[in-house]
Amino acid sequence: DAGVIQSPRHEVTEMGQEVTLRCKPISGHDYLFWYRQTMMRGLELLIYFNNNVPIDDSGMPEDRFSAKMPNASFSTLKIQPSEPRDSAVYFCASSETDNYGYTFGSGTRLTVV
Amino acid sequence: AQSVTQLDSQVPVFEEAPVELRCNYSSSVSVYLFWYVQYPNQGLQLLLKYLSGSTLVKGINGFEAEFNKSQTSFHLRKPSVHISDTAEYFCAVSKLWEYGNKLVFGAGTILRVKS
Repeated sequence: DAGVIQSPRHEVTEMGQEVTLRCKPISGHDYLFWYRQTMMRGLELLIYFNNNVPIDDSGMPEDRFSAKMPNASFSTLKIQPSEPRDSAVYFCASSETDNYGYTFGSGTRLTVV
Repeated sequence: AQSVTQLDSQVPVFEEAPVELRCNYSSSVSVYLFWYVQYPNQGLQLLLKYLSGSTLVKGINGFEAEFNKSQTSFHLRKPSVHISDTAEYFCAVSKLWEYGNKLVFGAGTILRVKS
C-alpha cells in the first residue's frame, strides 16, 4: 500500500484566497483524521470521520474551515478565505479503528502571505 | 481532562549513548499509549504502542518503552543512539471521548544526537 497520500506537499497562497488540501487514506481504513501542526500550538486535531461521516469537528477553528469526505478514498480540507495565521503543516491520518494508532501522511505545508 | 506531558522539550545526547525520553499522562482509567517519531519535513511514524499485556514494549529502530501504571508514565528508551535518530518524538494516549476514541498528543521532544 502507498500509505496515506496528501497533496499538494507545499502550497503558497495569498491572503483571501481559497485553499483546498487533499487526502487519500489507506484502503480499508474506516477512520480519517485531519491535524494541524504549528510551533505555537503543536498538533491539533481539527476533525475526524468514521465511514465518511464527520464525527467530531470541535477542533475546526472557525467557519472558514470545512472538510468533506465524499467517499472512502478521498477527503478534502478547505479554507476560505485563507489568512496568514492559517500557515501551518496540515496532516491527514487514517486508521482501521479509532484507538489502535494512526498512519499519517507526509503533510501539506501551507503558507499564506 | 486527559493530558499528556512530555517533560523535556529538547534532549541533546552524544552518539552511542543511551537516551530516555519521558512521558507522563493524567488518567485514572486504562489507556492505550503510543510513541511517534517525526523526521524533518515528514509525517509522524508509529514507533511503538502499548495496548495491553507486557508493560515493556519493543518498537522499531531499537526503541522500547515501559508502561508504568502506578506512575502514569510511558518513557521511551534506546540503549545506544545514532545520528539518524535525530528527530522529534511524540507521546500520545488514546482516550475515550464523547464521540469515541481519539489520540491526544504531547508537545513533543526534540532528540539531537551529536557526533
